[in-house]
Amino acid sequence: QVQLVESGGGVAQPGRSLRLSCAASGFTFSNYGMHWVRQAPDKGLEGVAIISYDGTTKYYLDSLKGRFTISRDNSKNTLFLQIHSLRAEDTAVYYCARGPGFCSRGSCYEDYWGQGTLVTVSS
Amino acid sequence: QSVLTQPPSLSAAPGQKVTISCSGSSSNIGNYYVSWYQKVPGTAPKLLIYDNNERPSGIPDRFSGSKSGTSATLGITGLQTGDEADYYCGTWDSSLSARVFGGGTKLTVL
Repeated sequence: QVQLVESGGGVAQPGRSLRLSCAASGFTFSNYGMHWVRQAPDKGLEGVAIISYDGTTKYYLDSLKGRFTISRDNSKNTLFLQIHSLRAEDTAVYYCARGPGFCSRGSCYEDYWGQGTLVTVSS
Repeated sequence: QSVLTQPPSLSAAPGQKVTISCSGSSSNIGNYYVSWYQKVPGTAPKLLIYDNNERPSGIPDRFSGSKSGTSATLGITGLQTGDEADYYCGTWDSSLSARVFGGGTKLTVL
């Protein structure tokens, strides 16, 4: 069965960096695009970043460009999200999710989600 | 402010039908497929509808989706107390080149 397990969250100080990981199993990881979506406390879902199946195409929420980097290691079935210069507003649960569609071509959705990892930015 | 607009809350009685709207523009809903998610606090989102009106396996046919122009709708019939959750629509936005979601609708079944 498809499983996505996030890790790397925790409490971090403003200005520091953090790398989140998502270990995938139960499907051919290298065949699928992958998404990061976050939910801040008492807020809605927010699309953070998307990476194509082969890692060559990446999309980011405009306000996060330059601080967030999505990447993947298909040999290790693992998705990453590097966050630099952490801010209080980055406090959220970060979910990784499988994206079966080709977003820019019309079909953009997430069919399987991890349980999420909580990032808290606080001094 | 979210790119996609949903009503913040709705309520209905068990057994009734409810529709949740999602309004966008030509750069998103007007030209791209819409998906819908159920989100219970403390759990991961669950895909209910993809490509406007397709249900993943295991999702009951009480849930349906439709799209017209720059708006989409999620319908839920035969409401159950277990349907109490937050519901989100999502799509792609070509102007932003980003994945966008609605602000969410809190459904209360009373």
